[in-house]
Amino acid sequence: DTEVTQTPKHLVMGMTNKKSLKCEQHMGHRAMYWYKQKAKKPPELMFVYSYEKLSINESVPSRFSPECPNSSLLNLHLHALQPEDSALYLCASSQRGGYTDTQYFGPGTRLTVL
Amino acid sequence: GQQVMQIPQYQHVQEGEDFTTYCNSSTTLSNIQWYKQRPGGHPVFLIQLVKSGEVKKQKRLTFQFGEAKKNSSLHITATQTTDVGTYFCAGYAGNMLTFGGGTRLMVKP
Repeated sequence: DTEVTQTPKHLVMGMTNKKSLKCEQHMGHRAMYWYKQKAKKPPELMFVYSYEKLSINESVPSRFSPECPNSSLLNLHLHALQPEDSALYLCASSQRGGYTDTQYFGPGTRLTVL
Repeated sequence: GQQVMQIPQYQHVQEGEDFTTYCNSSTTLSNIQWYKQRPGGHPVFLIQLVKSGEVKKQKRLTFQFGEAKKNSSLHITATQTTDVGTYFCAGYAGNMLTFGGGTRLMVKP
């Protein structure tokens, strides 16, 4: 199984809502990532979890809160988002988080904030 | 911090023509990776280059890594409509993968 799954595929939320994005992989990977991608732009790294510990937080606002319940699951909790947070949110995983790792991306959650 | 730049941003070609995208890093890279993202899709890993001057081929795709390990290129011979998408190069700084801006390839049948 070389698949990373993400739910939901689409999400529309108001600025006062609380929602969560979910990501799952069963490849035995120990590094998982959240990226944000705006239209016609490259993915931008938000968070990296390595062996279930947060190892990188790229100065992301606190309205985004990541969680890694176990080595297969990664969540992104959303609260009080702004319209400019509308984007494609991509989850990825890799074997160990090392610099030769291939990253496997999920299909993404397309988020619209009203 | 590390910056990775790609040119061109967009390229329209007639089916059967060749295509090349170029990637330049502000710092020496330990390796370079290439990803393809189809319209409406997600990035999919194509290849990784590690050695200075390395050249790798995948069917009609040829990937090169510069001697100084600061630049790379992807060349597609005789493009097909299935080649449509955005091609990203990406380099690691520590354990962070930094993507270039991407080159969007459009192929006219």
